[in-house]
Amino acid sequence: AQTVTQSQPEMSVQEAETVTLSCTYDTSESDYYLFWYKQPPSRQMILVIRQEAYKQQNATENRFSVNFQKAAKSFSLKISDSQLGDAAMYFCARSNTGNQFYFGTGTSLTVIP
Amino acid sequence: DTAVSQTPKYLVTQMGNDKSIKCEQNLGHDTMYWYKQDSKKFLKIMFSYNNKELIINETVPNRFSPKSPDKAHLNLHINSLELGDSAVYFCASSHFKNEQFFGPGTRLTVL
Repeated sequence: AQTVTQSQPEMSVQEAETVTLSCTYDTSESDYYLFWYKQPPSRQMILVIRQEAYKQQNATENRFSVNFQKAAKSFSLKISDSQLGDAAMYFCARSNTGNQFYFGTGTSLTVIP
Repeated sequence: DTAVSQTPKYLVTQMGNDKSIKCEQNLGHDTMYWYKQDSKKFLKIMFSYNNKELIINETVPNRFSPKSPDKAHLNLHINSLELGDSAVYFCASSHFKNEQFFGPGTRLTVL
């Protein structure tokens, strides 16, 4: 099954603290990309970070980093020094060689001042 | 310089009407998509399309149909609108399996 699972429907974090959002996926392919998207209340879908499956090094983008465990099919997102503007819905996604994308059900992140 | 644009952003209509949502991308991408996001924020793929192949999610009613006049456009036509069609519809595009770029979404309300 081509599924992406986000087991945390809601998460909260204190401002300036660190939070980790979980994501697991299922695939039999070896060549794929993984993504985290952010959807703030404005509803615009914004790419936060991406990871090529063939790369062992974890991707980082400023305060955002991932922990990519290919064998375990796990792709978690860590947000450091959380800011109020990080409050949003976060979606984990995977693409395959057929240009198909699979999205998780999302995690709603609340940042507490 | 909007990468993926959709019109209209809001659409309010009566049950039974037929409506269209337009989508254009200026990124030169080869594949375009339509998603439906319901009130629980679930993103459901409806269609993906490139110049070779249309892939339809089998759960999508045939009242929904994509129309692509060229590589840069993928419009969504909806016939005989129903209350359950109320949602936000997103257009997206990608180059192969690279990240998708999303349009701003169209909030459809069926009364």
